[in-house]
Amino acid sequence: QSALTQPASVSGSPGQSITISCTGTSSDVGGYNYVSWYQQHPGKAPKLILYNISSRPSGVSRRFSGSRSGNTASLTISGLQPEDEADYYCSSYTSSDASVFGLGTKVTVL
Amino acid sequence: QVQLQESGPGLVKPSETLSLTCSVSGYSISSGYYWGWIRQPPGKGPEWIGSISHSESASPNPSLKSRVTISVDTSKNQFSLRLNSVTAADTAVYYCVRDLRWNWYFDLWGRGALVIVSS
Repeated sequence: QSALTQPASVSGSPGQSITISCTGTSSDVGGYNYVSWYQQHPGKAPKLILYNISSRPSGVSRRFSGSRSGNTASLTISGLQPEDEADYYCSSYTSSDASVFGLGTKVTVL
Repeated sequence: QVQLQESGPGLVKPSETLSLTCSVSGYSISSGYYWGWIRQPPGKGPEWIGSISHSESASPNPSLKSRVTISVDTSKNQFSLRLNSVTAADTAVYYCVRDLRWNWYFDLWGRGALVIVSS
């Protein structure tokens, strides 16, 4: 299966909101509610920040929210903070009974 | 607090077999969940390799299925990965993870182990 498509980079100023898209097909993102998002700081392991499109694990800031329209899922970070500067990856279940990740988006806080 | 820790050789020769073990602390593997492996080549996105249940039901990524073996040792509270016939394309940081299979997400990750395939 092909990797999910994400913009290579997104930037914003502190306090602003940014949105990262994750585009797949009806065989993955559009076909199942099993879309998750991960935050990765340099040299660290990815950290789960959203699952089931829009659910947040305990301890994850409410500034992170998720949605989906058709074959595209989105992660919105509200009130951007310096510590949000990281790489973000989406992931989805696929009809091949597998999990596929996105290519990743680098978020820069200006 | 549940923790996962990868261990194994950091250098593997081409055509040989990559072997990694994940030790789990703070939770008994035999109690449930799936346990899996994800790798991330330098500068690229993660790739799910496969997962195994506490009852040893393995679920490999179809794209790697022919080369992957995942096993679990509940007596040692560990699970392992074997990837055979490796090439330079298998060079990556390998993470062991807890796999929430019923919703297909990964909520706990190890720190990762860099494996380089080179002669």
